[in-house]
Amino acid sequence: DAKTTQPNSMESNEEEPVHLPCNHSTISGTDYIHWYRQLPSQGPEYVIHGLTSNVNNRMASLAIAEDRKSSTLILHRATLRDAAVYYCILKGISNFGNEKLTFGTGTRLTIIP
Amino acid sequence: DAGVTQSPTHLIKTRGQHVTLRCSPISGHKSVSWYQQVLGQGPQFIFQYYEKEERGRGNFPDRFSARQFPNYSSELNVNALLLGDSALYLCASSDTNTGELFFGEGSRLTVL
Repeated sequence: DAKTTQPNSMESNEEEPVHLPCNHSTISGTDYIHWYRQLPSQGPEYVIHGLTSNVNNRMASLAIAEDRKSSTLILHRATLRDAAVYYCILKGISNFGNEKLTFGTGTRLTIIP
Repeated sequence: DAGVTQSPTHLIKTRGQHVTLRCSPISGHKSVSWYQQVLGQGPQFIFQYYEKEERGRGNFPDRFSARQFPNYSSELNVNALLLGDSALYLCASSDTNTGELFFGEGSRLTVL
């Protein structure tokens, strides 16, 4: 499985934007970039995913570099409820036999009130 | 709509015992995956089942087994428990059209 590299931890002030980086230099052409987050004492939660173009949803935005070797998850206005471990994961095409997610250690995001 | 439900939420076993963990997927989801999360680490893939067939297996010993039932619920069984099996066991179901996985809150197993 292609590997991702994320900072171990980040801090951000409440109500400020947060940019969480992820490097994935060995990404293949068919790998999607997925982001999940895990709040304390909960299972991981899907945040967003993309292939080549930048993506937006109600939770976040995903900015993907032109060469796809890196991406950035953007939380536009962090709240205390966004404090979690954020995982950047590469995943192949879903074809009923490939639902496996390979989690790293993620980035622990702390929000400062 | 109910999310992924897992039972039990917490349990304590002793070394050598076996354990069965249960998972009910979101209605309409036919794929179920199991993950093990040791404290301080990210979840590690154990199994994936789709339409009652095993579709993926992670790097876990044969003491770990699973199955999926006709109603798409699933069981994870672990035999001959070791202290190192203490972890949070997560179940996820997926809508294979979107590739998004929905996780339950997990079963926390402590092996003494």
